[in-house]
Amino acid sequence: ILNVEQSPQSLHVQEGDSTNFTCSFPSSNFYALHWYRWETAKSPEALFVMTLNGDEKKKGRISATLNTKEGYSYLYIKGSQPEDSATYLCAFIGYDSTLTFGKGTMLLVSP
Amino acid sequence: NAGVTQTPKFQVLKTGQSMTLQCAQDMNHNSMYWYRQDPGMGLRLIYYSASEGTTDKGEVPNGYNVSRLNKREFSLRLESAAPSQTSVYFCASSPIRYPHGGNEAFFGQGTRLTVV
Repeated sequence: ILNVEQSPQSLHVQEGDSTNFTCSFPSSNFYALHWYRWETAKSPEALFVMTLNGDEKKKGRISATLNTKEGYSYLYIKGSQPEDSATYLCAFIGYDSTLTFGKGTMLLVSP
Repeated sequence: NAGVTQTPKFQVLKTGQSMTLQCAQDMNHNSMYWYRQDPGMGLRLIYYSASEGTTDKGEVPNGYNVSRLNKREFSLRLESAAPSQTSVYFCASSPIRYPHGGNEAFFGQGTRLTVV
């Protein structure tokens, strides 16, 4: 069983705060790392697909970085808004096509 | 474009009954996955199919069987349902297979299964 860990488990911030989450994963058999956003009663939707060590991706106020050598990725949200409230999942993709998710970080942004 | 279609959306079974969850994708993806979602456990992989004609066990395969009927369809079968299989089930597909690992997965809407 692959060990994909996410921290913190949950986070409650005020509107306008910036925040970040961590995903750690095995550095062997690494092929790609995905970040997904999962709103309650919906299905997960992809935010970022990252494959190269040192990758940095950005979409609006959300960005992510990747370090494959040490096995971690950070997701940053700048100036959190209530609509950012969701569970953020990272997923490790190995060369064997397995897609293994962490347990997620649940973010709540209060107005 | 329908994406990933899962049926049924809801199901109640009695202990010992069997059922099949259906999943179909119209994006010509190689890989398909079945997950279960339980409180505090995130998404746990039950079975996956890296490509048409292959299936492999994931983290929690016991009590389930799968069939990759063709490239589009990947079904999950519960032969004798147990209360421990009460969960929300998600099917996903992706073009993931070397060298396409850089592409995201797409999810169905989920099946809420209750076993009484």
